Amino acid sequence: DGGITQSPKYLFRKEGQNVTLSCEQNLNHDAMYWYRQDPGQGLRLIYYSQIVNDFQKGDIAEGYSVSREKKESFPLTVTSAQKNPTAFYLCASSLSGGHLYEQYFGPGTRLTVT
Amino acid sequence: AQTVTQSQPEMSVQEAETVTLSCTYDTSESDYYLFWYKQPPSRQMILVIRQEAYKQQNATENRFSVNFQKAAKSFSLKISDSQLGDAAMYFCAYRSLSGTASKLTFGTGTRLQVTL
Repeated sequence: DGGITQSPKYLFRKEGQNVTLSCEQNLNHDAMYWYRQDPGQGLRLIYYSQIVNDFQKGDIAEGYSVSREKKESFPLTVTSAQKNPTAFYLCASSLSGGHLYEQYFGPGTRLTVT
Repeated sequence: AQTVTQSQPEMSVQEAETVTLSCTYDTSESDYYLFWYKQPPSRQMILVIRQEAYKQQNATENRFSVNFQKAAKSFSLKISDSQLGDAAMYFCAYRSLSGTASKLTFGTGTRLQVTL
């Protein structure tokens, strides 16, 4: 089955630790995205990548880093510099080059930092 | 920068009835796309319907339809014959045509409850 997987579903970390969230897709999509969702707020874009080895900052990139070494994978690292890391993180992918291409979302990872 | 506003944090509808969710947006662009996404309790985001701004005809997908008013910058979602499975958070999203990335700007969402 084609789709997007995110692991783990729930993640717990101590403050001051970096943590990496996994996102894998087998849809052969060029573009991938990371969003953050907080209660009472919509999704906010953290980073996005249109092709392998290239990525751009979204609206709230501070305290996060990404890599795009493979087309299928777009891991997100939440660093200790992120002031409020506890949130629900969603990964998405889409075809690129066409404006109406739908974004397909993964099931998300709930990160709790204490 | 574009903004998307959903002014109804929560809505309730009885099963089989019709409900309309509101969405307004602010943009200086003349061409763009608009989307409605559904997020059920599983938190999986699901595309409900999409609308190209250059099309005057309102999009329809089965029981879901939109009322797109470009001059008013309004994009409401109408759900007809509501079902229990429609209970979810609904997000309105804007897609700029500048650049090639399919970046979306989301509203804060409307939680829809469906009652018997």
